[in-house]
Amino acid sequence: LAKTTQPISMDSYEGQEVNITCSHNNIATNDYITWYQQFPSQGPRFIIQGYKTKVTNEVASLFIPADRKSSTLSLPRVSLSDTAVYYCLVSNDYKLSFGAGTTVTVRA
Amino acid sequence: EPEVTQTPSHQVTQMGQEVILRCVPISNHLYFYWYRQILGQKVEFLVSFYNNEISEKSEIFDDQFSVERPDGSNFTLKIRSTKLEDSAMYFCASSGDLSSYYGYTFGSGTRLTVV
Repeated sequence: LAKTTQPISMDSYEGQEVNITCSHNNIATNDYITWYQQFPSQGPRFIIQGYKTKVTNEVASLFIPADRKSSTLSLPRVSLSDTAVYYCLVSNDYKLSFGAGTTVTVRA
Repeated sequence: EPEVTQTPSHQVTQMGQEVILRCVPISNHLYFYWYRQILGQKVEFLVSFYNNEISEKSEIFDDQFSVERPDGSNFTLKIRSTKLEDSAMYFCASSGDLSSYYGYTFGSGTRLTVV
């Protein structure tokens, strides 16, 4: 499993865009990049997944450069309810390996 | 939106007792998992289950742990003789196939407290 590095924490304000960058220098050719969100005392929730270029869904966008050695999760116009831990996972395996994640705190 | 349901939400048990944590995966999913998260630590893989048998387990999943799909809807995790260090949130998850493409659906977890 490719090792990932992401910031420990980020602060933001309501209405701002939050961008979390994850480094995964040893990503394998058949690895996908997946982001999960976790609120306190809840299970992780799938946000978005991509392989290359850009992926967008109703809650986030995922930007992946051509070399795939990093990826950026973009959360548009965050609200207080987006305060959570965000995990970047890189794998082609059904067995998920979670790191420490990035704690995003959104303030009013 | 389909959900993975876990019961109970909180379980307190005495050291040495057996506990069974229950999960109802999404109905058309074929692959089932248990993960755990000790307070303040990472989410850790315990076991995966497919076609009525364990497909992979971690080193955490020792002889004290077992899983079962007793009927068409439930998926259980049993801890035979609980230890203090088994205190954690236990998450059940399910997926439709082995590809990670669609992500997995996790339940809200069971908080197990061993005293």
